[in-house]
Amino acid sequence: GNSVTQMEGPVTLSEEAFLTINCTYTATGYPSLFWYVQYPGEGLQLLLKATKADDKGSNKGFEATYRKETTSFHLEKGSVQVSDSAVYFCARTGNQFYFGTGTSLTVIP
Amino acid sequence: DTGVSQDPRHKITKRGQNVTFRCDPISEHNRLYWYRQTLGQGPEFLTYFQNEAQLEKSRLLSDRFSAERPKGSFSTLEIQRTEQGDSAMYLCASSPYLGDSSSPLHFGNGTRLTVT
Repeated sequence: GNSVTQMEGPVTLSEEAFLTINCTYTATGYPSLFWYVQYPGEGLQLLLKATKADDKGSNKGFEATYRKETTSFHLEKGSVQVSDSAVYFCARTGNQFYFGTGTSLTVIP
Repeated sequence: DTGVSQDPRHKITKRGQNVTFRCDPISEHNRLYWYRQTLGQGPEFLTYFQNEAQLEKSRLLSDRFSAERPKGSFSTLEIQRTEQGDSAMYLCASSPYLGDSSSPLHFGNGTRLTVT
């Protein structure tokens, strides 16, 4: 099938903790992979992307590496801040964009 | 601001009424997508256009839903005979399709529909 599976939330972390949100995908071929972020009351915004195997996308301290062998695109950040509290969506391309169900992150001071 | 614009932001309607939403994409983007999002879920694909051509429509989409992009610029999404299950956030997104899959979607802030 064509799907994206994300780690279920919600996730609650203390400020400066390490973050990992797992994402795996199934697809035929080699899709492009994306992480989107949705802050409270706002629309989805692109966080980072990777378009081919072993590419690393990065933005605002977040990183994700396109792993073809494990069909994964896990999101990581070394030290989260309160302002990172949001819902994070993993997505891949196909005929259209396929999104995961989202992982809610709350960072407490 | 040249982002994706959606109108209205909120719509409350009674069951059985028709509603229409509008999306203005980023001007140079040739692809336009409609998605639906319910609480706790990711965006669910509805349909997309390349210029004025509707290239794909979700098989799960009821015949009560129709979308147009008559001049390849703005798009409208109409829902006829609304049902309570249609209550959701309707998202529009656009992208500059360049012949590969690398271009990201740029989303508007959505139209929240409540059917009473």
